[in-house]
Amino acid sequence: DARVTQTPRHKVTEMGQEVTMRCQPILGHNTVFWYRQTMMQGLELLAYFRNRAPLDDSGMPKDRFSAEMPDATLATLKIQPSEPRDSAVYFCASGLGSSGNTIYFGEGSWLTVV
Amino acid sequence: QKEVEQNSGPLSVPEGAIASLNCTYSDRGSQSFFWYRQYSGKSPELIMFIYSNGDKEDGRFTAQLNKASQYVSLLIRDSQPSDSATYLCAVIRSGGGADGLTFGKGTHLIIQP
Repeated sequence: DARVTQTPRHKVTEMGQEVTMRCQPILGHNTVFWYRQTMMQGLELLAYFRNRAPLDDSGMPKDRFSAEMPDATLATLKIQPSEPRDSAVYFCASGLGSSGNTIYFGEGSWLTVV
Repeated sequence: QKEVEQNSGPLSVPEGAIASLNCTYSDRGSQSFFWYRQYSGKSPELIMFIYSNGDKEDGRFTAQLNKASQYVSLLIRDSQPSDSATYLCAVIRSGGGADGLTFGKGTHLIIQP
């Protein structure tokens, strides 16, 4: 059963701490997206990669957020330092090329910054 | 103006009736249109996609696209309580490499038994 795997599923951390979220895309998918969901803003695209190269990170606060894809089976999203306003659900999704109908979401990482 | 707009609801529909969900988008060059269903506490799940003007049917679901009016809709026939969820409309904007999904905030649908 092919699926996108995200860790951790839940994280509570103190303000100022570093948070790293990890994503394993579906095997064979070459496009990886990071989304953030809040009640106020809905689902926002933070960054995405194709063939491990970053294509767009304009939705990501550059001063504290960074996204990388060290290999084809791992994408990471790091927040340093974390702030309470970063509390949200972070979803990773993967797909094939630019075909929107192949995009599948992971179960999300629920982050609370206190 | 938000790029993708949806009525947040809640939209309440009796069981067995047709639920009609609507979405408008601002980028006239948008090429691909998607409907996702999201249950509370879960991740979005793709249920329909449409690329051309007109209707596309899949089981109880029909997606409708009108590019001239920049309007996408989702019809759910014979609504079931299990259809109660938030429905997210998403578009892929025109080229230039910006081909991530842009989402509306979703419509909360409640099917009343």
